[in-house]
Amino acid sequence: AQKVTQAQTEISVVEKEDVTLDCVYETRDTTYYLFWYKQPPSGELVFLIRRNSFDEQNEISGRYSWNFQKSTSSFNFTITASQVVDSAVYFCALSEGTGRRALTFGSGTRLQVQP
Amino acid sequence: DGGITQSPKYLFRKEGQNVTLSCEQNLNHDAMYWYRQDPGQGLRLIYYSQIVNDFQKGDIAEGYSVSREKKESFPLTVTSAQKNPTAFYLCASSPGLAGRASLRDEQFFGPGTRLTVL
Repeated sequence: AQKVTQAQTEISVVEKEDVTLDCVYETRDTTYYLFWYKQPPSGELVFLIRRNSFDEQNEISGRYSWNFQKSTSSFNFTITASQVVDSAVYFCALSEGTGRRALTFGSGTRLQVQP
Repeated sequence: DGGITQSPKYLFRKEGQNVTLSCEQNLNHDAMYWYRQDPGQGLRLIYYSQIVNDFQKGDIAEGYSVSREKKESFPLTVTSAQKNPTAFYLCASSPGLAGRASLRDEQFFGPGTRLTVL
């Protein structure tokens, strides 16, 4: 069975601080996909990144960066120079490469960025 | 604009009543999904459909039913058998198996329906 663990329930930082959100996953599949979504107070899920299990290259997109390490089954997300607009709940998710392809979500990390 | 619409945004139901949540997409996606979110928790899969006229139970299907008569529509009915229906419901779609490999598993989400049982 698949499982995604986000151990940090809530993180509070001051604007311009860097912050890392942790994600650890479990799966027996050799082909799988990892995602990060942002959920602002409006509730809609905003897609941030998708990474497949064969691509361990780290990725940077503006102030966002992701560190994928298969050896530790982790897919961590770092926000550099955080801003108040980054305040949201962030979800890590996993989907299998075959079968139903639905997402298995972690419980989310609530990030609060104080001005 | 292509996207997913869910209606209504807020829904109130009396105990014992069935209620149907709408989900429509104009992205030409084959696969559609329904998730439930409870406060402080992640999303859990209720039902999914990979193609028209076919759907499968997810992890928490009891008390729910769906239909997929049209590619663009995937309504969810919350029946009176669902013991704790108050939650936030999110619909999603993805290109499915027919999509480009790079996009095949990316799910796009609607704005959600917040259901409250009175």
